[in-house]
Amino acid sequence: RKEVEQDPGPFNVPEGATVAFNCTYSNSASQSFFWYRQDCRKEPKLLMSVYSSGNEDGRFTAQLNRASQYISLLIRDSKLSDSATYLCVIDSGSARQLTFGSGTQLTVLP
Amino acid sequence: DGGITQSPKYLFRKEGQNVTLSCEQNLNHDAMYWYRQDPGQGLRLIYYSQIVNDFQKGDIAEGYSVSREKKESFPLTVTSAQKNPTAFYLCASTNYLGGRYSGANVLTFGAGSRLTVL
Repeated sequence: RKEVEQDPGPFNVPEGATVAFNCTYSNSASQSFFWYRQDCRKEPKLLMSVYSSGNEDGRFTAQLNRASQYISLLIRDSKLSDSATYLCVIDSGSARQLTFGSGTQLTVLP
Repeated sequence: DGGITQSPKYLFRKEGQNVTLSCEQNLNHDAMYWYRQDPGQGLRLIYYSQIVNDFQKGDIAEGYSVSREKKESFPLTVTSAQKNPTAFYLCASTNYLGGRYSGANVLTFGAGSRLTVL
């Protein structure tokens, strides 16, 4: 089983739609969780951290389910500018730092 | 503005040649990393360094070498021993406090270097 697994997509959704991505992880000792956004041929950038209680930033909501070992990202009222690849990132707390998922590609259509 | 500068942005290499990718940061970060990204795949760790003059192998270190002579700089050399070097290479850095990473363990990335072997 991969350490971090994501549905690669692509997810093609119309503007205004709500879309959700999940990411499962295998290391139950994982301590911190993040969603990064990566535009085509660019570097990843932090979208949001994921906290145990769940957290929201505008149209974006992230949640953590430790019992089932997954995190999720919900995007409401999708915009064309949301089109990107969304990377799930897990920190196991070891010196080797972060483990990246392969990413979920989202295309928001006009 | 603080950030990470990678150069060159695009690089073409003939088989059998070594090439060095530059990574410089002015964020005063202790820890620096090199990742490789292939199409449709996540980032894979090549090497990382938590302090000057010390570095550790990541998951795919074979065919690569690094040095960390200065806090600001972490160059990566792709040697001829790397059999499939065509990829997108990303350098990143983060804070490192007292043996543990800070609570918000966030990586800052450079813009990347795209290496193509001809």
